[in-house]
Amino acid sequence: DQQVKQNSPSLSVQEGRISILNCDYTNSMFDYFLWYKKYPAEGPTFLISISSIKDKNEDGRFTVFLNKSAKHLSLHIVPSQPGDSAVYFCAASAQGRQGAQKLVFGQGTRLTINP
Amino acid sequence: DGGITQSPKYLFRKEGQNVTLSCEQNLNHDAMYWYRQDPGQGLRLIYYSQIVNDFQKGDIAEGYSVSREKKESFPLTVTSAQKNPTAFYLCASSIGDTRGDEQFFGPGTRLTVL
Repeated sequence: DQQVKQNSPSLSVQEGRISILNCDYTNSMFDYFLWYKKYPAEGPTFLISISSIKDKNEDGRFTVFLNKSAKHLSLHIVPSQPGDSAVYFCAASAQGRQGAQKLVFGQGTRLTINP
Repeated sequence: DGGITQSPKYLFRKEGQNVTLSCEQNLNHDAMYWYRQDPGQGLRLIYYSQIVNDFQKGDIAEGYSVSREKKESFPLTVTSAQKNPTAFYLCASSIGDTRGDEQFFGPGTRLTVL
């Protein structure tokens, strides 16, 4: 049962335009969401996160939107740059306790920025 | 420089052999994690540890074992019982005392079982 889904395996965007990556989740207990960026043969690097008490979080060119009623979040990158070409994973965790957080990851979306 | 190191980057083993993947962090993080990534799939949690001498099974623990004897180290053993061991293995750590703290990942080890 895939609790976190990224339905688009790939996305191609023109440099300078907006990239929108989508993520859906099914577990209503999830209350914290993260986006990671990954280059081939490397570990993922943290990009941005959002708590369920918010519906938007912004950090420079990156903005994450959360729609709790639709169980949907999206990552907006604007303007898109060639260095943004990578695989993007969304991840979610459930409330409950401090300490080690069990993250559930989506399958990833490969973003390609075209010059 | 603080970070997470995983060694080796590439590892080849014959079928039926146990193999241990190394993960070391100098971030002074309490929590550590092991994930597996297969082509076209997301990361799946194998084991995690909140504190020294404590660890919990993740979603796909069968065929794997871990130990956490030191705060800095969280080695993963892929045993011969793991049916499909060929994968990209990622170790991560987090502070562990804050809800929602981000996990920092190592560079990964690609294991190929021949």
